[in-house]
Amino acid sequence: QVQLQESGPGLVKPSETLSLTCTVSGGSISRDSSWSWIRQPAGKGLEWVGRIYDSGSTNYNPSLKSRVTISIDMAKNQLSLNLSGATGADTAVYYCARAMSRAFGAFDIWGQGTEVTVSS
Amino acid sequence: DTQMTQSPSSLSASVGDRVTITCRPSQNILRYLNWYQQQPGKAPQLLIYGAATLQVGVPSRFSGSGSGTNFTLTISSLQPEDFATYYCQQSFTTPRTFGQGTKLEIK
Repeated sequence: QVQLQESGPGLVKPSETLSLTCTVSGGSISRDSSWSWIRQPAGKGLEWVGRIYDSGSTNYNPSLKSRVTISIDMAKNQLSLNLSGATGADTAVYYCARAMSRAFGAFDIWGQGTEVTVSS
Repeated sequence: DTQMTQSPSSLSASVGDRVTITCRPSQNILRYLNWYQQQPGKAPQLLIYGAATLQVGVPSRFSGSGSGTNFTLTISSLQPEDFATYYCQQSFTTPRTFGQGTKLEIK
């Protein structure tokens, strides 16, 4: 049973880089999946940040594209999110999620989420 | 971007009721429409993918239908554990986008 676990600082200062890691356990990062970051400000809806494939190929939300980098470490079974120039608008719960290509690309497995606050 | 318009934004219903939530994407997404349930303080959980396929372990009182630009999620007989927020999401175009959510509350 594949499980995802996000980790990282809960507090980030404005203008600094928000960095999070998602560890995949119970399975490996596989070719028939992509791995996304999704965020949710308190009391609001879900926003897709971007995704990465096992090949390292990425897609980002254009609203964040200039600030986002997603990377993958196959040896550690981890994916990472870096969001530069953090502002209060980046305060949110951040989820990592798997999308299965054979399931219409739906997000079938989610981490529990990690809350990040951007504040001085 | 494909905009997802979900309605209603909130809904009050009673245990045993049948409820329907609608999702309308701004362009044709074939059947690349997925539904999620989110309980307070928890991550979303996949209910239905490909517009109509029930995810493993999801009760059969949940069903989805539609294609193109008009989709629905139906709960045939509400149970107490179904009171939550529901999101639709399209997986046809990038960036992936979600509806704004429907909060289902107990009447």
